[in-house]
Amino acid sequence: QSALTQPASVSGSPGQSITISCTGTSSDVGGYNYVSWYQQHPGKAPKLMIYDVSKRPSGVSNRFSGSKSGNTASLTISGLQAEDEADYYCCSYAGSSTWVFGGGTKLTVL
Amino acid sequence: QLQLQESGPGLVKPSETLSLTCSVSGGSISASGYYWGWIRQPPGKGLEWIGSIFYSGSTYYNPSLKSRVTISADTSENQFSLNLSSVTAADTAVYYCARLTNYFQDWGQGTLVTVFS
Repeated sequence: QSALTQPASVSGSPGQSITISCTGTSSDVGGYNYVSWYQQHPGKAPKLMIYDVSKRPSGVSNRFSGSKSGNTASLTISGLQAEDEADYYCCSYAGSSTWVFGGGTKLTVL
Repeated sequence: QLQLQESGPGLVKPSETLSLTCSVSGGSISASGYYWGWIRQPPGKGLEWIGSIFYSGSTYYNPSLKSRVTISADTSENQFSLNLSSVTAADTAVYYCARLTNYFQDWGQGTLVTVFS
């Protein structure tokens, strides 16, 4: 069970859109529609932003969207805001009631 | 509103066993369909799923930690626990408990455990 691969960092200016990729294998990301994304601000617990690839929990801005193609999932944030600056982690179900996280991506809002 | 709260020693000596408890309020750990899990985050690093216990009592562990991990539940106290044996400095991390289905929907605030002699 290896960690999913995310870029270490991404950046964008306010109002722009950014996309964070999350690459796994056919045993996790590619095999199930159970990819989720979490936002983590410094010193805080992670917060669920996207689940089941593209669903948004109640209360999460519609500026956040998710998708998947093959073994790669993506999180897109549109209309970047300063408050979006945080670490983002993807997570996938990996079969047999196990889960695997990505290494995390630091988003900087310029 | 479901709330989870981790508790346990903040310092553990090398080779000893790390023990943490997650107290749950606002919902029952016996509720059908939910897993209750532990996740950790070493300082400055990413998240790692440690293991989970299903509402039925079945347990599932990260293969990389399986030989050292035990997760159990106490339904009478509405809490579940983590034991990690033979700890080393590499086990120093913030430990989170969470409720999950196919995703981690509710998280505790986390507790820092330092392995230090």
